[in-house]
Amino acid sequence: AQSVTQPDIHITVSEGASLELRCNYSYGATPYLFWYVQSPGQGLQLLLKYFSGDTLVQGIKGFEAEFKRSQSSFNLRKPSVHWSDAAEYFCAVGIMFSGGYNKLIFGAGTRLAVHP
Amino acid sequence: DVKVTQSSRYLVKRTGEKVFLECVQDMDHENMFWYRQDPGLGLRLIYFSYDVKMKEKGDIPEGYSVSREKKERFSLILESASTNQTSMYLCASSFSQPQHFGDGTRLSIL
Repeated sequence: AQSVTQPDIHITVSEGASLELRCNYSYGATPYLFWYVQSPGQGLQLLLKYFSGDTLVQGIKGFEAEFKRSQSSFNLRKPSVHWSDAAEYFCAVGIMFSGGYNKLIFGAGTRLAVHP
Repeated sequence: DVKVTQSSRYLVKRTGEKVFLECVQDMDHENMFWYRQDPGLGLRLIYFSYDVKMKEKGDIPEGYSVSREKKERFSLILESASTNQTSMYLCASSFSQPQHFGDGTRLSIL
């Protein structure tokens, strides 16, 4: 069955430090992969997506993620974290059906705290 | 920009009530989705719709139903609300991928 695992429930980093959020997926075919961010009281905003091609993808707000097929991973990185990056981050895998419709399978999320 | 609007940010209802959550999108998307979000569980798909009057069960459909009479509107219905349906509910829409989300409705069932 398809699944997404985010091993870290909470992460705390200092402002200006680098960040890596881990994501592992289980899916039999080539996956569509996503990272979303949710600020308190808000909906989900798309940070970046991977469909095919270059395995290092750039997103908004200075984030990037690298797809590693051999490790079934899609880790999110940022070289220097800002206080405004404090939020909850969700990794998701997109499942496409033969009828053309799709659904997302989400990980449980990683809550990021940023110390000044 | 895609806009997905959920009719209420906060809602308080009583056990046994019939509850309607409304979602409207302005981008003519075929696909619309309802999720619930609970701490430690991420987002779980309740129902989705890939066309007007079409619906498919997601991973946790029990206790819920949906309605899609017009392309832009997708309603989630709690037939007889129970306390275990207290949660954050998120609506999303898409043409294919990615999905675009509304701001959510925090529903409390007393």
